[in-house]
Amino acid sequence: DAEITQSPRHKITETGRQVTLACHQTWNHNNMFWYRQDLGHGLRLIHYSYGVHDTNKGEVSDGYSVSRSNTEDLPLTLESAASSQTSVYFCASSESRGSYNEQFFGPGTRLTVL
Amino acid sequence: ILNVEQSPQSLHVQEGDSTNFTCSFPSSNFYALHWYRWETAKSPEALFVMTLNGDEKKKGRISATLNTKEGYSYLYIKGSQPEDSATYLCAPHNYGQNFVFGPGTRLSVLP
Repeated sequence: DAEITQSPRHKITETGRQVTLACHQTWNHNNMFWYRQDLGHGLRLIHYSYGVHDTNKGEVSDGYSVSRSNTEDLPLTLESAASSQTSVYFCASSESRGSYNEQFFGPGTRLTVL
Repeated sequence: ILNVEQSPQSLHVQEGDSTNFTCSFPSSNFYALHWYRWETAKSPEALFVMTLNGDEKKKGRISATLNTKEGYSYLYIKGSQPEDSATYLCAPHNYGQNFVFGPGTRLSVLP
């Protein structure tokens, strides 16, 4: 069955370290998204991609970067982790742009920055 | 970025009660609205996608309505069960734009 996976599921790191969170989907979806979940804010969009080599900034992109070298993967990098980036991160994918297609979510990565 | 509001923020009901909550969004340039159900320690799962003014969707005991002219959607749960306990998110979007998730309504159904 097609799925979307994230790794690691839990990560503890120190301020200033570079951290990369992996997202892999086997739906063959063009669109992929990274969100962070914080109390009182719901899901906020960090970065998104509509296809290979396409990346775009979301609402809360400062301090994060992504790259899309293939259809299946959209890794999220925190260049220099800050305590404010302690959060739960969700990756999602959907079939095509400009449609009603639902987004399918991964299981989430809980990141703690000490 | 769309300003999406959901009310109430949280809700506690007894098993068997029916309940409803609201999603409010800007009505201009509306394209579609999604409802998601998000159980604790799991990932959000899609419930409905709604596009037309007056749309009504139903899945089991859960239903939703849409008013695009005034910019709101209601989610109803009939005869709530403990397994309905979750956070319910709405996500409207304009054409060609990304979803904007509301802050959610957290429902707790007490046995």
